[in-house]
Amino acid sequence: AQKVTQAQTEISVVEKEDVTLDCVYETRDTTYYLFWYKQPPSGELVFLIRRNSFDEQNEISGRYSWNFQKSTSSFNFTITASQVVDSAVYFCALSAYNTDKLIFGTGTRLQVFP
Amino acid sequence: DARVTQTPRHKVTEMGQEVTMRCQPILGHNTVFWYRQTMMQGLELLAYFRNRAPLDDSGMPKDRFSAEMPDATLATLKIQPSEPRDSAVYFCASGPTIRTDTQYFGPGTRLTVL
Repeated sequence: AQKVTQAQTEISVVEKEDVTLDCVYETRDTTYYLFWYKQPPSGELVFLIRRNSFDEQNEISGRYSWNFQKSTSSFNFTITASQVVDSAVYFCALSAYNTDKLIFGTGTRLQVFP
Repeated sequence: DARVTQTPRHKVTEMGQEVTMRCQPILGHNTVFWYRQTMMQGLELLAYFRNRAPLDDSGMPKDRFSAEMPDATLATLKIQPSEPRDSAVYFCASGPTIRTDTQYFGPGTRLTVL
């Protein structure tokens, strides 16, 4: 069975702090894909990143970075120098190869205070 | 900037009424998904289509929900009759042909059934 766990329900930080959102996944597939989506207060789901299971290189995009470690089945997301606009619910998701279905975690609500 | 569009954005109706939600996928995307988001269940996949053909609707209550794609530019989700427990945000997402490729979400329809 496939499962995504986001153990942090809610995180509060002050602007300019760094924050890491944890994501742990379970799958028996050797080929799979991992995603992060952002859901700001406006409600839409915004795609942030997609990684496949064969690419364990860390990725950086501006203030965002992702750490993928197959050994611990984790795909953590770090925001550097957080800003108020980063306040949102962040979802981690998993999809096995050759399937269309996304399995979502329960989300982590990030609040960034000025 | 291509986006998935959904109408209406908000719908308030009374129990027993029919509700129709519409989605226009991104042009060129031939896979369309319907999700429901609630506080209790999180994000759940209801159904999805490829090339307008339904591939999986196992997440959908069959007795009252129906999903169709009359053409490549329109997907619909109907609830008849609606019940208070159907109150949720319904998201449509679209993606290219390749499985496990990224799904792009619409802004959602917030449904309230009184």
